[in-house]
Amino acid sequence: GENVEQHPSTLSVQEGDSAVIKCTYSDSASNYFPWYKQELGKGPQLIIDIRSNVGEKKDQRIAVTLNKTAKHFSLHITETQPEDSAVYFCASAGTYKYIFGTGTRLKVLA
Amino acid sequence: KAGVTQTPRYLIKTRGQQVTLSCSPISGHRSVSWYQQTPGQGLQFLFEYFSETQRNKGNFPGRFSGRQFSNSRSEMNVSTLELGDSALYLCASSQDSEAFFGQGTRLTVV
Repeated sequence: GENVEQHPSTLSVQEGDSAVIKCTYSDSASNYFPWYKQELGKGPQLIIDIRSNVGEKKDQRIAVTLNKTAKHFSLHITETQPEDSAVYFCASAGTYKYIFGTGTRLKVLA
Repeated sequence: KAGVTQTPRYLIKTRGQQVTLSCSPISGHRSVSWYQQTPGQGLQFLFEYFSETQRNKGNFPGRFSGRQFSNSRSEMNVSTLELGDSALYLCASSQDSEAFFGQGTRLTVV
């Protein structure tokens, strides 16, 4: 069936270092890949997304890359700050729904 | 522009009862989706509505149902509650591919 694998499940980095989270999807028809950040007690917040006709997209300290052939996409956060600490979810868009990865708990150590 | 509003934020119900959750999407958004979030299963798709029509449904028992009104507001209902229904229920509204989530309703079944 359709699924999205996400790694790692937890990630600790020193403030100022980079963090990378990787996802692999199975549905070849997927053409939209959003990333969400979820803080404690809040709903997921869309932070960046990428469509299948683009290989990379950047927004300040956050970037996403997509390899459609390998069905891989990754989130890159540079110059991490304590406020980046949260759970991050990748997703692939299916037919009128999203399929989410299992989440990565990112801890940025001051 | 107001975001996605979910009510109530917290609910405690007893096994066997039924519950109705409400979601008001972002103004102008006609698609509303519902997800169940639990520590063990992550974010699981429940159903999606567009212009009062259910376009997709996840793999949940018939006890889970939903509807959408002409003003795009949506409700989901869970009947005959079970302990395993305890979860954060999230609503997302979208106009195109981008989906924006509400804060969620935390349901506890005792």
